[in-house]
Amino acid sequence: EVQLVESGGGLVQPGRSLRLSCAASGFTFDDYAIHWVRQAPGKGLEWVSGITWDSGAVAYADSVKGRFTSSRDNAKNSLYLQMNSLRPEDTALYYCAKAQNKWLRTPFDSWGQGTLVTVSS
Amino acid sequence: QSALTQPASVSGSPGQSITISCTGTTSDVGSYNLVSWYQQHPGKAPKFLIFEGNNRPSGLSNRFSVSKSGNTASLTISGLQAEDESDYYCCSYAGSGTWVFGGGTKLTVL
Repeated sequence: EVQLVESGGGLVQPGRSLRLSCAASGFTFDDYAIHWVRQAPGKGLEWVSGITWDSGAVAYADSVKGRFTSSRDNAKNSLYLQMNSLRPEDTALYYCAKAQNKWLRTPFDSWGQGTLVTVSS
Repeated sequence: QSALTQPASVSGSPGQSITISCTGTTSDVGSYNLVSWYQQHPGKAPKFLIFEGNNRPSGLSNRFSVSKSGNTASLTISGLQAEDESDYYCCSYAGSGTWVFGGGTKLTVL
C-alpha cells in the first residue's frame, strides 16, 4: 500500500525558514516524480512544486519561486521542501503527492495526510 | 499561473447526473490533454478521481467521466449517490513541469 507521511510543520514567524519532509513507502520511490500541493485553511488546492525521479527537473509555482526548494533523497525514500522567507500567505496544510510515473506530466495518484504550516508573529 | 475557473457549487438529486466545468486558457487546459480531477471530503486528503481519456484508478466507478472542448474541461457524475457529496477540483498541466488547480466545486446531493 502506498503511504506518504509528511512532517516538519509548525508555527513559524514571518521571514523565518522551515523544512518539510515526506517519507514514502509501499512503492519504488525512485520510479516516480513527487509533488507538493498546499491548501490554506478553508481554501482550495494550490500546486507548489514538483520534482522528477532523479531530481533532474524541479518546477515551482510563481508564488514560491526563489523562496522554496524541493529536493529528494532516493536512498532514504524521502522528499523535502525547504521553505525560506516565509510569509503569512504561506500558511496552509502541505501535502506531498505521488505522480503516475517518473516525470512531471502525470496526475497525482496518491496523497499524504498533510502537515500544517502556520506563519504568524 | 491563474487558477482555473470552476462553479463554486452544484447540486443534484440521487440518480440524476451533474456536470462540473473547469475553464482555463490556451496556456493550460487548451494546450494539453492533461486535466485531472480530485475528490476531497471534509477533513480528508484529496483523492485522485479521473484523468483525460477516462483514465481512472482501478475500482473507481464508471459513473465518473470526463470530456474537454477547447479551454474547458468537464467532469460528469451520473447516477448521483449520497456518497458523491464532496468537493471536486480540476487540475491542468500548464507547461514547464507546472500545474494549476481550479478553485473547487462543492457538490451537494439533495
